[in-house]
Amino acid sequence: DAKTTQPNSMESNEEEPVHLPCNHSTISGTDYIHWYRQLPSQGPEYVIHGLTSNVNNRMASLAIAEDRKSSTLILHRATLRDAAVYYCILNSGYSTLTFGKGTMLLVSP
Amino acid sequence: DAGITQSPRHKVTETGTPVTLRCHQTENHRYMYWYRQDPGHGLRLIHYSYGVKDTDKGEVSDGYSVSRSKTEDFLLTLESATSSQTSVYFCAISEAAGNQPQHFGDGTRLSIL
Repeated sequence: DAKTTQPNSMESNEEEPVHLPCNHSTISGTDYIHWYRQLPSQGPEYVIHGLTSNVNNRMASLAIAEDRKSSTLILHRATLRDAAVYYCILNSGYSTLTFGKGTMLLVSP
Repeated sequence: DAGITQSPRHKVTETGTPVTLRCHQTENHRYMYWYRQDPGHGLRLIHYSYGVKDTDKGEVSDGYSVSRSKTEDFLLTLESATSSQTSVYFCAISEAAGNQPQHFGDGTRLSIL
């Protein structure tokens, strides 16, 4: 499976935008880019996914590089509730997901 | 929120005893999954099901069995629990294969002494 590389942790202030990077230089043409997050003591939560074009939903935006070797999850205004571990995952169309260690996002008031 | 219920939410048991964890969904989704989460390892897939009586192994299936006799229930069984199976177990569901989002339950914290 193609792998992803994320920073171990990032910090942000409340109400500021947050850009969470993910590198996936070995991505294949059929791999979708998925983002999940896990709040403390909870199960993972789906955030967003995309293939080539940038995607927006009520939770976040996903910006995908033109060569698809990297992507960025954008939280437009961080809140304390956004403090979580964020996972960037590639999925080639099979039903299972492979979680890495993700990025721990810390949000300060 | 997706209708996923895991039971029990917490369990403490002794080495060598059988343990069954239950995942119940009200979404009528075809796919169901069991993951475990341990410090330093992240989430790892144990088994998954792609329909009633259709299951397959994941990354860490040794020591675990599963059953799915109806769409809404997916059971995970530890036939003879060991201390290495102390973990937090998450159930997930998805509507279809591939790039459909997975929705997770709140987890079961299992301690084996």
